[in-house]
Amino acid sequence: DGGITQSPKYLFRKEGQNVTLSCEQNLNHDAMYWYRQDPGQGLRLIYYSQIVNDFQKGDIAEGYSVSREKKESFPLTVTSAQKNPTAFYLCASSIGAGMNTEAFFGQGTRLTVV
Amino acid sequence: AQKITQTQPGMFVQEKEAVTLDCTYDTSDQSYGLFWYKQPSSGEMIFLIYQGSYDEQNATEGRYSLNFQKARKSANLVISASQLGDSAMYFCAMRGEWTGNQFYFGTGTSLTVIP
Repeated sequence: DGGITQSPKYLFRKEGQNVTLSCEQNLNHDAMYWYRQDPGQGLRLIYYSQIVNDFQKGDIAEGYSVSREKKESFPLTVTSAQKNPTAFYLCASSIGAGMNTEAFFGQGTRLTVV
Repeated sequence: AQKITQTQPGMFVQEKEAVTLDCTYDTSDQSYGLFWYKQPSSGEMIFLIYQGSYDEQNATEGRYSLNFQKARKSANLVISASQLGDSAMYFCAMRGEWTGNQFYFGTGTSLTVIP
């Protein structure tokens, strides 16, 4: 089945540690996205990538980093510089940047700092 | 700049009744797409329906329809014959012809279907 796989589903991190969230898609989509979701704030864009080896900062990129070495993979690293990393993280992909193409989402990763 | 506004934090509807979830938007793009997503408690975002800004007819997908009023910049989601499984968060989103590299989301509406 085609889709987006995020792992792990739950992640606990100690303060001061970097942690990497995995996102893999087998939909052959060019564009991939990382969103952060906090209660009452909807989804906010962290990073996006339209093609391999290229990515752009979104609205809240500080404290995060990404890579796009393969079309199907778009991992997100939450660094120790992110002051409030506890949140629900959603990865998404779309065929391209066309305004009529929907995004497909993974199941999400819930990150908790302990 | 793009902005999506959902003014209803929470809504209740009786099972088998219809419900309308409000969404207004602001954009400088002439062409844009509007989307609705459902997020159950499991967390995954499920695409429901799409409306293009130049579509003359309102979009429909099964029990979902989109009441699109371009002049008012509103794109309300109508769910007919509500079911218990419709209880979830619902998000309105858009992407524009010049800002299509990202989606802009509203803050969501929590819908509870009462048996």
